[in-house]
Amino acid sequence: DAGVIQSPRHEVTEMGQEVTLRCKLISGHNSLFWYRQTMMRGLELLIYFNNNVPIDDSGMPEDRFSAKMPNASFSTLKIQPSEPRDSAVYFCASSPSGGAGTEAFFGQGTRLTVV
Amino acid sequence: ELKVEQNPLFLSMQEGKNYTIYCNYSTTSDRLYWYRQDPGKSLESLFVLLSNGAVKQEGRLMASLDTKARLSTLHITAAVHDLSATYFCAVDILTNRDDKIIFGKGTRLHILP
Repeated sequence: DAGVIQSPRHEVTEMGQEVTLRCKLISGHNSLFWYRQTMMRGLELLIYFNNNVPIDDSGMPEDRFSAKMPNASFSTLKIQPSEPRDSAVYFCASSPSGGAGTEAFFGQGTRLTVV
Repeated sequence: ELKVEQNPLFLSMQEGKNYTIYCNYSTTSDRLYWYRQDPGKSLESLFVLLSNGAVKQEGRLMASLDTKARLSTLHITAAVHDLSATYFCAVDILTNRDDKIIFGKGTRLHILP
């Protein structure tokens, strides 16, 4: 298995533009997590899904952020409109269903810069 | 709200020395993970601890879990430069509805040759 695959790896965009980050889960995994990492705030959980259903989105910073899982193997995180303070590294991670007792496996991250 | 606190947040140490990183958490859980992150890279799983008293060792690193004290430790023995990285603990909260993983802020470890 190729692991969790994120795209793009790097994104530079102008303030006000829409940004879409993509994530492909490991085959057979049912839980999907989106995290944001910054120097100031560390690794923050934005949202997580179980069996394609959003379970907890309390970490999503604002209405400008939205996440979807259109199918069992793919997720998107959208920021519209983007702002400079959204600049960060965004990771997605997947794990088997709850109760499996295994850790989350991370993608390589998307480094987002909003200018 | 679950809080996961690591200390120290920064650690600079000499090669050959021993040290321990601590991870405290604020709610009941018996599932805890340790990750390593190198600069500019993703997070790599190191240890999975699934019960009270669990101890795992890999090379110069040893992790343990005390669920009653809500404390995990990552012990480094005879540190070498290659262990320089940021280490995260992460607590897995599993309920009938939730299964989310919350991370500490990380401990940036710098080992001096």
